[in-house]
Amino acid sequence: DVKVTQSSRYLVKRTGEKVFLECVQDMDHENMFWYRQDPGLGLRLIYFSYDVKMKEKGDIPEGYSVSREKKERFSLILESASTNQTSMYLCASSLRDEKLFFGSGTQLSVL
Amino acid sequence: TQLLEQSPQFLSIQEGENLTVYCNSSSVFSSLQWYRQEPGEGPVLLVTVVTGGEVKKLKRLTFQFGDARKDSSLHITAAQPGDTGLYLCAGARGSNYKLTFGKGTLLTVNP
Repeated sequence: DVKVTQSSRYLVKRTGEKVFLECVQDMDHENMFWYRQDPGLGLRLIYFSYDVKMKEKGDIPEGYSVSREKKERFSLILESASTNQTSMYLCASSLRDEKLFFGSGTQLSVL
Repeated sequence: TQLLEQSPQFLSIQEGENLTVYCNSSSVFSSLQWYRQEPGEGPVLLVTVVTGGEVKKLKRLTFQFGDARKDSSLHITAAQPGDTGLYLCAGARGSNYKLTFGKGTLLTVNP
């Protein structure tokens, strides 16, 4: 089975801190994604990557950056965390034109 | 940005009842996916529909893609408490790079 692993289930950070969310997949998938999920707003795409060192902005990239140095790992970076970035963050991966496999999510609270 | 509207937003029913969840858009999608998300987990793909008018069955779940590929429905027969979860529809236009997600239907099936 495909496994997408997110490094933390829960994370509490302070405003202004730099935050790294890590995601690893074990099925050699080309595509990786970062979404955030908020009540009433659904899933919104932050960034995605279709190859190593390649990235594209999603619908809400402001305040975020990403890094994909290796095929299996996709990192989401909050350069200076703000309270409005408190959310559930979901990582996903897929083969080209195939279904998304999601991790279990990281609930980030920014105080 | 294409919008996918799901209805109802919340649904609470008794075990054994039938239900239908709707996913509507003014845009045409090349395919549409349905996911189920349980508390504390990421979404898991249930089905992908590709052809207008297509009907797919997964045990007690029946998925239909509209003839014009703008809408879809999920029908559950004789719901069980294990069906409880957040049901999400997601539309693709040409590739899975940028899926558009609906906001979800939160289903609670009471024993």
